[in-house]
Amino acid sequence: DVVLTQTPPTSSATIGQSVSISCRSSQSLLDSDGNTYLYWYLQRPSQSPQLLIYLVSKLGSGVPNRFSGSGSGTDFTLKISGVEAEDLGVYYCVQGTHDPYTFGAGTKLELK
Amino acid sequence: EVQLVESGGGLVQPGASLKLSCVASGFTFSDYWMSWVRQTPGKTMEWIGDIKYDGSYTNYAPSLKNRFTISRDNAKSTLYLQMSNVRSEDTATYYCTIPSLGIPFDYWGQGVMVTVSS
Repeated sequence: DVVLTQTPPTSSATIGQSVSISCRSSQSLLDSDGNTYLYWYLQRPSQSPQLLIYLVSKLGSGVPNRFSGSGSGTDFTLKISGVEAEDLGVYYCVQGTHDPYTFGAGTKLELK
Repeated sequence: EVQLVESGGGLVQPGASLKLSCVASGFTFSDYWMSWVRQTPGKTMEWIGDIKYDGSYTNYAPSLKNRFTISRDNAKSTLYLQMSNVRSEDTATYYCTIPSLGIPFDYWGQGVMVTVSS
């Protein structure tokens, strides 16, 4: 199975600060169809996960544009430009290029 | 509004069987593949498997395919997860999810907790 390594495990930020989360894959996530099936989800406390980013850099419906995704191959980044209180929770990267789907271990975003 | 409501969880002894249900509403259930995803108490997420919209095909995580079975009843808009010979490591919150175009897990239920313990 593809292993997704997220760093850091925990990130502390103040409101308005920009933060980045890394997701590194054990294999290239570039599919033979030319797409890269890398997604980012946020799980707020006591809630189900919700989609933020799909196909590396496309913003999910209703997701604020302070969230952005980038990367290619095996290295991907989620950036939050100006953290807001509602952004606190655990962020997961997910890959769908290789069967089975696999998740990163998560990055917990806390208030400093 | 899309709604997914899981049920059937609880405390179960090791080696027992358990069947989870997920009742869907707010969309045409029979048009969509469905997936099950679980989250351990330590917050590790794991895809369990999925099922084609007509129930004719299922795909599982290799580590689970011998013990878990996904099925559906389109007439009842209900997705099922049959768990057999459960182990302590199956203790988790189980979510049903549906995809949308280009997104494997777009809508999630609230989850149902399963605890495997003697």
